[in-house]
Parts: sequence; structure tokens; C-alpha cells
Amino acid sequence: AQSVTQLDSQVPVFEEAPVELRCNYSSSVSVYLFWYVQYPNQGLQLLLKYLSGSTLVKGINGFEAEFNKSQTSFHLRKPSVHISDTAEYFCAVSEGSNTGKLIFGQGTTLQVKP
Amino acid sequence: NAGVTQTPKFRVLKTGQSMTLLCAQDMNHEYMYWYRQDPGMGLRLIHYSVGEGTTAKGEVPDGYNVSRLKKQNFLLGLESAAPSQTSVYFCASSRTGNYQPQHFGDGTRLSIL
Repeated sequence: AQSVTQLDSQVPVFEEAPVELRCNYSSSVSVYLFWYVQYPNQGLQLLLKYLSGSTLVKGINGFEAEFNKSQTSFHLRKPSVHISDTAEYFCAVSEGSNTGKLIFGQGTTLQVKP
Repeated sequence: NAGVTQTPKFRVLKTGQSMTLLCAQDMNHEYMYWYRQDPGMGLRLIHYSVGEGTTAKGEVPDGYNVSRLKKQNFLLGLESAAPSQTSVYFCASSRTGNYQPQHFGDGTRLSIL
């Protein structure tokens, strides 16, 4: 069975500092990987996705993620965060079946401090 | 362009009461999903639909029923609400399955007393 583990429940960081949010997955088949962001009292929005090809994926708002098959990881990074990046971030994996079902990690709360 | 709209946004129920949550999308998407979000547990799939007239069970389907009579609507029902169903419920839709991103509504906060 597939699973997703987000290694940090909360990540505090100062404004303009770099940040990395960690995500590991387990799967015996090829997967598609996603990062979503949830701002307070809102639904989830897609940040970026890995389907195939280049292992470095760029998304919206200056975020990027690197797919590492050997380490089964898909860590999210941003070189310089803003106050407005404060939100909850979810890593998700799709097994690639035609159902489109996603398995989500537990979420990481990014707290950007001034 | 409304995207995915969920109604109601908030609701308080008493144990044993029933209710229906409505999800409507205006993007002509084939696939629709219902999730629940609980602290520290991420989102868990309740039921999903791959097209009008179809439904299937997700990871945590017990205590819920769904219907997809029209392509644009996906209804989630609680027949006899229990305190364990207190949660935030999210509906999502996607054009198809596989690699298509899911588009989410803003959620329904449901409290069962």
C-alpha cells in the first residue's frame, strides 16, 4: 500500500530565509507526486507536480521540488520565503491508476516570522 | 468562474441527525472526490466518482453515502451523524484521473454534538 510521510509537522522560519519541507513516499509502482498549499480557511491549491522527465520541478510562488527515486523523496524548497507563504503544505502521491485517487501526507505548517 | 462550490460552509448537528453536503463544479470535470480533514491526519478520501452515475468507496467510507446524479454535482450524505464525523469536509474535482490536478472547494466545517 502506498503511504506518504511528511517528516515535520511544523517548520518555523524567518522571512527571507530558505526553507525545505520534507516528504517521503512508499510505493511499489510508478507514481505521480504533488504538493498542495492550504491557506487559512481555504481549500487546497496545487503548487507543483511531478509526472515524469526532469527531476527538478518548478511551481508557483517561487517553489520547486526535487524527485529522488532512490530515496523515495519529493522535498519542497524555496530560496527566500515571505510572510505570505505562511500556510499548511501537503505532499500527495497518486498511484497512476485511472481513478486519480491521492494519498496525502499529514501536512506541514510553515510559519514565516518577520 | 466559481470553480468548486461547497454548501453549506458551516453546520452544527446533533448526534443521530442526518444531512447532505452539496458540491457543485462548473468546469465540466468528469471526476469528483470527497475528503475529510482532521488535525495531524492530512486529507483522507471518503468516496469518489469517475463520471455521472458512478460512485466508489475511498479510504474511510463508513457512515457516509454519496450520489452523482448530475455531472456537475456530487452529494455527500450522513444518515445518522456521530461525534467522530466532526471534521472539515472538502470536495474536489479533476478533468480525468491519473496526473490531472484536483481543484478543491473551500470546505464545510461540520460539528456533531
